[in-house]
Amino acid sequence: AQSVTQLDSQVPVFEEAPVELRCNYSSSVSVYLFWYVQYPNQGLQLLLKYLSGSTLVESINGFEAEFNKSQTSFHLRKPSVHISDTAEYFCAVSGDSSYKLIFGSGTRLLVRP
Amino acid sequence: DTAVSQTPKYLVTQMGNDKSIKCEQNLGHDTMYWYKQDSKKFLKIMFSYNNKELIINETVPNRFSPKSPDKAHLNLHINSLELGDSAVYFCASSPAAGTQYFGPGTRLLVL
Repeated sequence: AQSVTQLDSQVPVFEEAPVELRCNYSSSVSVYLFWYVQYPNQGLQLLLKYLSGSTLVESINGFEAEFNKSQTSFHLRKPSVHISDTAEYFCAVSGDSSYKLIFGSGTRLLVRP
Repeated sequence: DTAVSQTPKYLVTQMGNDKSIKCEQNLGHDTMYWYKQDSKKFLKIMFSYNNKELIINETVPNRFSPKSPDKAHLNLHINSLELGDSAVYFCASSPAAGTQYFGPGTRLLVL
């Protein structure tokens, strides 16, 4: 069985500061890893994904995540956050032949001026 | 030009009623899903259809019945609504077991 742990339920940070949102997973099979973002009262948007290849993946708005197989982690980072990054961030995992996405409990990123 | 759309966006109803939520995708994907997000923001899969065939059916009360009339549509019908059914329901689609794209959600409130 697969599972995802997001240890931080909320991460407050000042604008222009760096941030890291932590995600750890467990799985007995090869995995695909995802970060989704949910802005207030909106749906889920795909932020970035790791399927194979380079372990460092980037989004168009400055976020990046690194797949670390030995530490079973897929932490999300941004070197300088904006107020507009305030949202709920969900890490998710699926097996390479699985149709099911398993989500973590989410981390609320709160960016303060 | 919405990729995955859901109707209605909001649904307020009384306990015991029957309601349906509709989902449509124009991405040409083979697989569609229903997820439930509870009041604590936790997301859990409910159902998945691949080419109109049910492939995932999690431990969901049988008051919930999905129906896929064609590859582009997956509807969710809920009988005898209960207070605990209040949640946000998300539809998603993907190419086979690939990356899933989500709709805007339907906020259901049962009074």
